[in-house]
This record gives sequence, structure tokens and C-alpha cells, in this order.
Amino acid sequence: SQQGEEDPQALSIQEGENATMNCSYKTSINNLQWYRQNSGRGLVHLILIRSNEREKHSGRLRVTLDTSKKSSSLLITASRAADTASYFCAPFSQGGSEKLVFGKGTKLTVNP
Amino acid sequence: SAVISQKPSRDICQRGTSLTIQCQVDSQVTMMFWYRQQPGQSLTLIATANQGSEATYESGFVIDKFPISRPNLTFSTLTVSNMSPEDSSIYLCSGRYTGELFFGEGSRLTVL
Repeated sequence: SQQGEEDPQALSIQEGENATMNCSYKTSINNLQWYRQNSGRGLVHLILIRSNEREKHSGRLRVTLDTSKKSSSLLITASRAADTASYFCAPFSQGGSEKLVFGKGTKLTVNP
Repeated sequence: SAVISQKPSRDICQRGTSLTIQCQVDSQVTMMFWYRQQPGQSLTLIATANQGSEATYESGFVIDKFPISRPNLTFSTLTVSNMSPEDSSIYLCSGRYTGELFFGEGSRLTVL
């Protein structure tokens, strides 16, 4: 397992704007997962992108993966106040432990 | 998807006591994990709960302090033993189902 590093650590935007957060990792992966955590709550699985995929969409979410740069990005379009949360990426490599290790995350604040 | 229920959702405990957190999954999951999230921090993996055998602990966590049981594919418990104020955290259970990791809502413990 390896830890993803999210960037920026904090992001503040106005409602309606787009939010982009990035994730970097160190070694090759089978997939990468993005999670959201509202304050003091459990993590919610947002999207999984496999190593052979370059882009994936789910509603207002768009995730890209560049395995050559070992990076991923999460774009939230037309943000809402309810998107205020911390976002974590979790790179996953099969063949070793099945566990996921989390970095510090990106704390997104969407101002109404 | 898998739905993970944890209880208690929160508790206030006295120093020196122990508390057991229960985690129930509505589907059979291959792997279960316990995480801790201290105030303002990211998630830290405590251990992997192995069915029918001893849990696999991460560095810095020991069985005497955090005994874990996993009697079947849908249930696990984590006990926080001999608690001190430093154990005040959110404890999160997670399970791997169809390749994705799902989380419970967490158990917020406050130790006085």
C-alpha cells in the first residue's frame, strides 16, 4: 500500500465555481479511489479509476489519471455549499496488502 | 455497495475504562479494517481484521491496547482498552467489497 498526497491542503471557492484538487503517488497502481469526508463523519466513496483509464465521470465529478506522472485530479463542477468537505485520494496496488493508506486530504470550503 | 453500521456512534468514557465498538456489514466483505482519526488529522490505519485469526496491526498499535475480533465475514469489533484522553478520536470501520472500500459513520470517543 502507499499513501497519496493531496494538493492543495485547503481550497476555498464560491458556490458555482469549479474545484480542482490533485493527488500524487509514488509507485505503480491498479486503481485510485477518491473519498469525501464531511466533518466528523465516515468516508464516502466517490469514484474509482483503474490504471488503464484516463478519465471518469460521475455526475458533477470528473477524475483524471496520468500514470506516467503518477498523478490524479478530481474536478467538482458547479460547486455547492454541500460539497464542503475533506477529500482524500487512495492509490491501490494489488499483490500486497489490501489496505488503503490516507494522506492529509484537501479541505474544500464552498462559500454560499 | 456495502452498508457499514457502527455502534456506538459516540460515547464519553472515563479514563482507565475500556470500550468495544461494533461494526456490522450488510454484505460479506473480504477485508475489514479499523482506522483512527484524531482531531484535525487524517485517518491512521490501526489494523486489518482477519476472519478467524489474529488481526494484523500497524506500527504503533498493539493487540493489548486495541484487541480486535472478526468472527465472520460481516462483523468485527474493536476494543479500546485502558483509555486515556489521548485515545479521544473517531474510530472508523471499513470493509472491502467488490474492490472498493466502504466506511461506517465512525464512533466518536471522548475520554475524560
